[in-house]
Amino acid sequence: QSVLTQPASVSGSPGQPITIPCTGTSGDIGSYNYVSWYQQHPGKAPKLIIYDVTQRPSGASYRFSGSKSGNTASLTIAGLRAEDEADYYCTSFTRANSLHLVFGGGTKLTV
Amino acid sequence: EVQLVQSGAEVKRPGESLKISCQGSGYNFTIFRLAWVRQRPGKGLEWMGVISVGDSDMRYSPSFQGQVTFSIDTSINTAYLHWTSLKASDSATYFCTRGGGGTFDPWGQGTPVTVS
Repeated sequence: QSVLTQPASVSGSPGQPITIPCTGTSGDIGSYNYVSWYQQHPGKAPKLIIYDVTQRPSGASYRFSGSKSGNTASLTIAGLRAEDEADYYCTSFTRANSLHLVFGGGTKLTV
Repeated sequence: EVQLVQSGAEVKRPGESLKISCQGSGYNFTIFRLAWVRQRPGKGLEWMGVISVGDSDMRYSPSFQGQVTFSIDTSINTAYLHWTSLKASDSATYFCTRGGGGTFDPWGQGTPVTVS
């Protein structure tokens, strides 16, 4: 019952850029700049790659960037590499529940 | 180095109880929040709830309210996730993660729980 909508899968070729959208509402993405993105490889814990919509934590590749327009946040990966093949999840602050947190359903990226 | 280390994999029978742990190190355990996240096999991430460690305020997602219990022991920088009566549907990997503002990082390595 994810409130944020992501495509189930996307694919791209090595070296190409790709963008993964995450669509919410005015109650979450549209009103708050607290969108994070996580990368998860099979059998591993999620890893933070973008926070506060556009910020990249130390240790995250410079090829990851985030943006937001209206109720949709996006993760762009420049110059796809084989190691980028993973699941990607967005999350946002929301006023829709007492936790103030909501995940997207996740996107499987195939390179 | 900031780290969250979780307890190991568990195999339980339906109806049994279970407590798994998450120990923080490398930071002031009491000034950050800590969240629990469920991931069923082949499925996405679900927020179970959030603990404000400093004041022991615990908030549960409606889907998990009454199904699990959070607890913390600040003397050993450890958070716990507890079930009194497991169901097969509780089979999943459970992650803990440290929260500051709207950002959760790092994450524990995950604790796989199998109920069968």
